[in-house]
Amino acid sequence: EAQVTQNPRYLITVTGKKLTVTCSQNMNHEYMSWYRQDPGLGLRQIYYSMNVEVTDKGDVPEGYKVSRKEKRNFPLILESPSPNQTSLYFCASSSNPLDTQYFGPGTRLTVL
Amino acid sequence: EDQVTQSPEALRLQEGESSSLNCSYTVSGLRGLFWYRQDPGKGPEFLFTLYSAGEEKEKERLKATLTKKESFLHITAPKPEDSATYLCAVQPLPLNTGANSKLTFGKGITLSVRP
Repeated sequence: EAQVTQNPRYLITVTGKKLTVTCSQNMNHEYMSWYRQDPGLGLRQIYYSMNVEVTDKGDVPEGYKVSRKEKRNFPLILESPSPNQTSLYFCASSSNPLDTQYFGPGTRLTVL
Repeated sequence: EDQVTQSPEALRLQEGESSSLNCSYTVSGLRGLFWYRQDPGKGPEFLFTLYSAGEEKEKERLKATLTKKESFLHITAPKPEDSATYLCAVQPLPLNTGANSKLTFGKGITLSVRP
């Protein structure tokens, strides 16, 4: 089954404790992206990747890092999480930047 | 800057009561307009892509239409299982070949269909 998977699905952590949210897709897509969703603000792009080793900032990149060492994986790294990063995070992928993006199930992160 | 406004914010319908959801947008040049459905606690699920004014697409009880300034998602004879948040997003034409073309999302319309 074609899908985007994320882990963990739920995470509660404390300020400053580094964490990684994994994202993997099995569709051989070149384009991958991370979004955060907050009430009243909609979905906003954090980072995106056009292909392996090619990543760039989206609208709200502060406090986040990403890497794209393999085509299928696109982890999101929070080196020193803060409470304002409490949010619902989605990974998405598409065959190219102009094609339909397919979303993962989401990761609900709470930073205390 | 690209903008997407969805209205109303919330809509409550009786089962079988048809209605429309609105998505107004401003974009420098439209590459595509996307409709997604999102259930609570889940990721957005792709519904439709529309590329040019006058285009229409249908899927079961849903029909999406596009003009130069807005898109409508028409729901005919809705059922309780159609209850969800419906998201609209626009994608501009890329500045050059291979460039990123970021989706701009609206805040969504929460639809509740009562049996």
